[in-house]
Order: sequence, then structure tokens, then C-alpha cells
Amino acid sequence: NAGVTQTPKFRVLKTGQSMTLLCAQDMNHEYMYWYRQDPGMGLRLIHYSVGEGTTAKGEVPDGYNVSRLKKQNFLLGLESAAPSQTSVYFCASSQGQGGYGYTFGSGTRLTVV
Amino acid sequence: TQLLEQSPQFLSIQEGENLTVYCNSSSVFSSLQWYRQEPGEGPVLLVTVVTGGEVKKLKRLTFQFGDARKDSSLHITAAQPGDTGLYLCGGTSYGKLTFGQGTILTVHP
Repeated sequence: NAGVTQTPKFRVLKTGQSMTLLCAQDMNHEYMYWYRQDPGMGLRLIHYSVGEGTTAKGEVPDGYNVSRLKKQNFLLGLESAAPSQTSVYFCASSQGQGGYGYTFGSGTRLTVV
Repeated sequence: TQLLEQSPQFLSIQEGENLTVYCNSSSVFSSLQWYRQEPGEGPVLLVTVVTGGEVKKLKRLTFQFGDARKDSSLHITAAQPGDTGLYLCGGTSYGKLTFGQGTILTVHP
């Protein structure tokens, strides 16, 4: 089925390790987003992209970097993982701004020990 | 940061009951979106409302956008166990979607 695919689905990291989360969408959407979801705090925007080659900071960008080298892919990197980054990470894409709905991936559960 | 307050945070009801979830903010949004999320999955879009005062119906679900585009409500009629899940409201402004904390709904048979 068409949609947003996230890899990996689960990951355990040690403090200080680095990793990259991959998001791929096949709907030709211009906009892509990375959110983290923590209990009682809803979904918080980390970084987003309004097109290939562009990125911008969201609400909670510290400790994360992103890249959008290809329109269909949006990568989220953690350079030096910390326990506070233990969370479920969701990637989403949308056709445009305003009233366009978002399509979410199924998430990556990351634990930093 | 524009804040969206969702209430209640938890709702536990019996099958057949009606319920309303509220989403309030002091900020004006371009649109208000409602999502439903099941455990282990990402949120799935239910509806988008863009015009102040707009009402949309999706089977037993009724969504309303406030006249001033600062608040919204989700009403479910005759809830069923299959409605169980996390309901999230999100407001869009300047191209970004900001979410409320969510409402965990449990419908008991």
C-alpha cells in the first residue's frame, strides 16, 4: 500500500551512540515532518521540510539533525543519543500547507540506555 | 508555541453512550484536524475542518470548528468498542501542525 514507511521499527541505543532513522514516502508529497511522542505530551514537532533540499526546526530540535536529499526521503539523525531521547518517533508527509491532512508512518520505538 | 488543550484526557464509557471531546486554544488556526491512533500505529486522519463554524459528519462522528477558529469538538454517538483509541486534535498554522495531548477513549462492551 502507498504511504509512509519508517525503518527501523525498534532500536535500543547506548548513551552516546549515534543512529539514523529513515522515512520514505511514495505519494510525491512536498512536505515531510518528524515528530516524537511521549506519554501525556502528545506529538511534538522535531524538524520538518517543505521540499527537497530544505529543512527547518520545529518545537524540539535540540540533539537531532535532518536531511532531505531526495524528495521521497527524510532522514532523522541522533549524533550522541541521550536517555531523554527515549521516545516513539513518527514521520509524516503532506501534500501542502493549511487544510491538507498528514499521512503518518507506523513509528520507531527508540530506547536509549 | 501555540498550545492546544484537549479534554478530557481519559474517557471510559459503556457501549451505546454518547461522548464529546474538546480541543481549545487561545490561538487562531488555519485548519483543525482530528486523528485516531491505535496502539503500535501512527495517527490516522479522520477529518479536516477549515471554515469557522464548519460541521462535518463521518458516520457516528460529528466534528465542529468554532466560529473564531480557535476550538473544535468531536462528538461520537452510540459509541462502540471499535471506537476505542487515542484521539488527537491538531491545529495548523504557518504550515505546521501542533497537537493537543490527546484523549484516550475506552468503550466497554
